Amino acid sequence: QVQVVQSGSALKMPGASVRVSCKASGYPFRDYAINWVRQAPGQGLEWMGWINTITGVPTYAVGFTGRFVFSLDTSVTTAYLQITNLGPADTAFYFCARAHDLSTYTLGNWGQGTLVTVSS
Amino acid sequence: DIQMTQSPSSLSAVVGDTVTITCRASPASPDVINYVNWYQQRPGKAPILLIYGASSLQSGVPSRFSGSVSGTDFTLTISSLQPEDFATYYCQQSYTTPTFGPGTEVNTK
Repeated sequence: QVQVVQSGSALKMPGASVRVSCKASGYPFRDYAINWVRQAPGQGLEWMGWINTITGVPTYAVGFTGRFVFSLDTSVTTAYLQITNLGPADTAFYFCARAHDLSTYTLGNWGQGTLVTVSS
Repeated sequence: DIQMTQSPSSLSAVVGDTVTITCRASPASPDVINYVNWYQQRPGKAPILLIYGASSLQSGVPSRFSGSVSGTDFTLTISSLQPEDFATYYCQQSYTTPTFGPGTEVNTK
């Protein structure tokens, strides 16, 4: 069955970088895009963007350009989110989600989430 | 961007109740109708897809969940609420740059 498994929680100092991994299995990896969603503590869901698993081309939502990078390693069916120059406002859960058959932006299978905490 | 509003922001219910949550897309567009989805998020867990395309039940989701549309209003109905249904529910449009509603918390009365 489809599984999406993310890396564990991370505690980072301000100014550091973090990489979150998202391992997909149970289906042909290149058949479905991967989306990324942020959820600040106690807040709602915010779409960050997506990556085309065929071409590797990322698309970023407004507010997620510059310090945020989506990438892939298709050999291990894994997507990555890297965030550089972390600040306290980046403290949040980060989810990856596989696209659904309906559309690229319909989020059919979610990872369990990765908590990134930025604190000195 | 298309904005999604939800009502109510929270509601109190008991097991066995029928619960209705409404979502509206603005600006209204007939193209969005087939691209409204509903997600459930239990505390401390990842969201899961319940309903896609306004009214299609995602595989594995109990049939007490249903979605409908009337004009520009999208509705999620939970019939015979179960203990595991106390959670926050989000609508989302996936027609264009995706946007989520602010969420509706269903809590115990």
